[in-house]
Amino acid sequence: EVQLVESGGGLVRPGGSLRLSCAASGFTFSNIGMAWVRQSPGKGLEWVAYINEDGSRGSYVDSVRGRFTMSRDNAEKSVSLQMNNLRADDTAVYYCVKSGWCDNWGQGTLVTVSS
Amino acid sequence: DVVMTQSPLSLPVTLGQPASISCRSTQSLVDSSGRTYLHWFHQRPGQSPRRLIYLVSTRDSGVPDRISGSGSGADFTLKISRVEAEDVGLYYCMQTQFWPYTFGQGTKLEI
Repeated sequence: EVQLVESGGGLVRPGGSLRLSCAASGFTFSNIGMAWVRQSPGKGLEWVAYINEDGSRGSYVDSVRGRFTMSRDNAEKSVSLQMNNLRADDTAVYYCVKSGWCDNWGQGTLVTVSS
Repeated sequence: DVVMTQSPLSLPVTLGQPASISCRSTQSLVDSSGRTYLHWFHQRPGQSPRRLIYLVSTRDSGVPDRISGSGSGADFTLKISRVEAEDVGLYYCMQTQFWPYTFGQGTKLEI
């Protein structure tokens, strides 16, 4: 059974940083690209970042490029999202997602950016 | 960016009756090999989204055959032949032909 477990969400002030992590199991992790998708009440579902199977290529939506960095550790079967210079409009539930076609989703972790 | 437009945004239905959701994209989602990168998701209240259909019409494991997807190019439809109570929630279409991948606004199905 595929499992994706996110952690690291919380309350952070504007301009602050946060690192999200996702532990994966139940599939051959090193063969699959991974992604982060977020959901906020005002914007619905939004792709944030995607990383390919070996971690050599990351893609980012314009609104986070230069502030967020996605990485992966195939030995540990995990992905991370380093989020810097956070803004109020980054407030959302962040989901760890298996593959570019969103085969499976984690339960999500809430990030709140507020002073 | 490719804009995905769903309609209706709210869909009141009666149990046992059919339901249909439209999704239109601002560009064709067909690639050079002929594949069409359009997928559908369902999100029940308080839960994470779950994929129902990929590549326009292929149902994921465990999805009942009363749920179907169709369409081509830039015009797609999700149909539920007989709505059941478990079908309530939000439905989203998503394209993965062009980066950034994008979702529709969501359609809220309620009984």
